Amino acid sequence: DTEVTQTPKHLVMGMTNKKSLKCEQHMGHRAMYWYKQKAKKPPELMFVYSYEKLSINESVPSRFSPECPNSSLLNLHLHALQPEDSALYLCASSDPSLAKNIQYFGAGTRLSVL
Amino acid sequence: GQNIDQPTEMTATEGAIVQINCTYQTSGFNGLFWYQQHAGEAPTFLSYNVLDGLEEKGRFSSFLSRSKGYSYLLLKELQMKDSASYLCAVHTGGFKTIFGAGTRLFVKA
Repeated sequence: DTEVTQTPKHLVMGMTNKKSLKCEQHMGHRAMYWYKQKAKKPPELMFVYSYEKLSINESVPSRFSPECPNSSLLNLHLHALQPEDSALYLCASSDPSLAKNIQYFGAGTRLSVL
Repeated sequence: GQNIDQPTEMTATEGAIVQINCTYQTSGFNGLFWYQQHAGEAPTFLSYNVLDGLEEKGRFSSFLSRSKGYSYLLLKELQMKDSASYLCAVHTGGFKTIFGAGTRLFVKA
């Protein structure tokens, strides 16, 4: 099973709303990632958690707040977003004990900020 | 700097063979991936190369030349469902993977 599950699939929110994106995997992977992808652009890394600790924050604005409650779950809390934050948000996981670092992606959450 | 170049779009005919090229210049190299991404969906892993040469997996093959900073993905016996974007990505080290902008492949009947 190489499934990464993301909810919700679609999200529309206003600039004053607070919402959360959720990601779950049961492959035993101890590295989890958030990416942002705009149309016709490559995925851009936002955050990486390794063994439930934040390893990488790619200078993401504080209106995006990641959380890793346990080894299977990854959340992205959203607050006071801007219309330019509208994008496909992808979660991925990998096994950090392997040199290959193959990342398995979820189907994404398509976010629209009005 | 980090740079991955691949053609923006390609068109091929059902049943044919297509080769998608990728050149890269990155600060580190731990391996090269090819992912397939259908519109609005997640990238799915296709292949991985870390040593020079050809890796074959069914209808898909991937080639790597580290000295030239070059890879290609070869798709044989094209099917309509192969219409998608193909992302070349370089694992530069640790948890960092740099993705190219993708090549949109259109397969026509």
